[in-house]
Amino acid sequence: GESVGLHLPTLSVQEGDNSIINCAYSNSASDYFIWYKQESGKGPQFIIDIRSNMDKRQGQRVTVLLNKTVKHLSLQIAATQPGDSAVYFCADSGGADGLTFGKGTHLIIQP
Amino acid sequence: AAGVIQSPRHLIKEKRETATLKCYPIPRHDTVYWYQQGPGQDPQFLISFYEKMQSDKGSIPDRFSAQQFSDYHSELNMSSLELGDSALYFCASSSRDRDSYEQYFGPGTRLTVT
Repeated sequence: GESVGLHLPTLSVQEGDNSIINCAYSNSASDYFIWYKQESGKGPQFIIDIRSNMDKRQGQRVTVLLNKTVKHLSLQIAATQPGDSAVYFCADSGGADGLTFGKGTHLIIQP
Repeated sequence: AAGVIQSPRHLIKEKRETATLKCYPIPRHDTVYWYQQGPGQDPQFLISFYEKMQSDKGSIPDRFSAQQFSDYHSELNMSSLELGDSALYFCASSSRDRDSYEQYFGPGTRLTVT
C-alpha cells in the first residue's frame, strides 16, 4: 500500500550541528505534508508543514524541503540542541481526514 | 493556550473487558481524530468526527466505536479488549475554518490490557 516513510530509524548528531531527517512518500496524490516531533510519553507536536505547491518552507530553526519529482521530504534542524532529542515523524494528508504517518526517526543529540 | 485534554491518562484493563477513553478538543475546534500508537510504532489513524458526524474511518476494529457529543468532546469505546489493544491512544483536534490540516494532539491515554 501507499505510505509515508523515513529512511533511518536513528540519527545521532553533535550538539550545535545541523540535522537532516529524510522521508520518502509514495502517494502521488499527497498534497500536504507535516513534520511532528514526539518526545517520550507525549503526543506528537506540530513542527512545520508544507503544501505540494511549495518546494521549501522555513520556520524557527527548521526548514522543510519537498522534492515532488522523487517524492522526497526532508526536515532540517539548525544548530541542534539537547531539547531537540525526540522521534520525528513525517505525515501525509492526501485529502482525507486521517494523517498517514511514516516510521519515525529517533534523533539523538550527542554532547 | 488551551490544549487537547484526554482522560484517563493511564488505564489498566483485563482481557475481554471494556474501556472508554475521553477527549476534549481545543475550544472552537470542530473536528476530532483518534489514533492508536503501539510500542515503537507510528500512530495509526482510527476514526474522525466533524460536527458530531463521523467524517473518516481508518483501521478501527469493529470492537471499537466512537462518537462526538454536542459539546464536541469525543469518546472512544473499546469492547472485548485483547492484549494487542495495549497502546497509546491519542486524540487530536482541528478547526476546518482554518486553511490548514494541522492537527493538535493530546497527551494520550496509555491503555494496558492484561
